[in-house]
Formats: sequence, C-alpha cells, structure tokens
Amino acid sequence: QVQLQESGPGLVKPSQTLSLTCPVSGGSISSGSYYWTWIRQPAGKGLEWIGRIYTSGTTNYNPSLKSRATISLDTSKNQFSLKLNSVTAADTAVYYCARENDNYVFDPWGQGTLVTVSS
Amino acid sequence: DIQVTQSPSSLSASVGDRVTFTCRASQSISTYLNWYQQKPGKAPKLLIYAASSLQSGVPSRFSGSGSGTDFTLTISSLQPEDFATYYCQQSYSTTRTFGQGTKVEIK
Repeated sequence: QVQLQESGPGLVKPSQTLSLTCPVSGGSISSGSYYWTWIRQPAGKGLEWIGRIYTSGTTNYNPSLKSRATISLDTSKNQFSLKLNSVTAADTAVYYCARENDNYVFDPWGQGTLVTVSS
Repeated sequence: DIQVTQSPSSLSASVGDRVTFTCRASQSISTYLNWYQQKPGKAPKLLIYAASSLQSGVPSRFSGSGSGTDFTLTISSLQPEDFATYYCQQSYSTTRTFGQGTKVEIK
C-alpha cells in the first residue's frame, strides 16, 4: 500500500523559496501511470491544485502561481519535491502531496504539512 | 480554467437525514468529477470518482450522479461520522480545480 508523507521547513521568510519533499513508501515512484501531485489549503479555506509530475518527468502547473512552482522527481530516493519561489504570506497553507491515478483521482494523500510564511 | 461551484456552502442536518448537495462546472466536463470528504486536521478522503463510482471501502449510503455541468452527492442517511466538509473536483482539464466545499454541521 503506497504511503506519502510531506516533509520540510514549517517556517519560510517572505521572498524566499519554500521547499518540500514527499517520500513515497510501498511502491516505486517511477513505475505505473501516475501523476505525483502537490495541493495546498490555506487555513479555513478550500483546496488549490499546485501542479503535478508524471513518471516520465512531464510537469503541469497551475497558471495562478505564475511560474513560481517547480516539481521534480528523485527516483534514487523514491520521492518528489516542490519548490515555490518568491513566497508571500498568501502562500501560508497546509501543503499536501498526493498521487493521481488512472481514474484521475487523488488517492492516496499525505497527512499534510503546515508552512507559514513570516519574517 | 474550469470553475466548479458548490452549493450550499454549509448545511445543518440531523442524524438519519437524507442530504444532497450540488456541484456545477463552468463548462461541460462529461463525468470527470470526483467527491472528497475532509474532517478537521485530516487530508481529504476520496468518496466518489467519475461522478457516480463508489470508491472501495466507502459506505453505500454515499452516492453520486450527474454529467455535463451539474452533479450531486447524496448521503441517504446521515451518520455521526459524516459531519465534515465535502469537496468536488474536476479532472477534465489539465489544471485540476476544486469546489469551495460544503460543510455539513449537526443540527
């Protein structure tokens, strides 16, 4: 059973780069037809899709992030990562990693990690 | 981007009630519509995929319907563990989008 768990700093200063990783256990990140995905949720608000990376390395991003996001795969560590540059307080949120499968659904999800942008 | 709009934003109901909430897409998305349940402090959990297919392990009191632009999620008999926020999500366009959520509260 595949499991995901986000990790990274909980506090990032404004204008700096937010960096998170999502190690995957119970399966290989480079096999199957999956999109490895990042989603975020500001406190008390709804869910926002950030972007995804296919097992081949192809990426797609939410245009609302104005090219600030980069998602990458590290097959040697069986994990994928998110970098979001030039962060502001508006980027404060719980960040989730998830797998999108061939039914086009997000399942499973990581437990989420809170990232606060503050000086 | 395809917008998905949920209604109502919240509702109050009692255990045993039948509840229905809706999701409307800004353009036709066929049946590329999924439903998730989220409880406080937890990640969302998949309930329904492809508009009407029940995810394995999800109780049969949950059902989904619709196609095109209008979709519904129904809970046939609300249970205490069903008080949560429900989100719809479209997977028709590359940029995935979620509705703003419907919070189900205890009356």
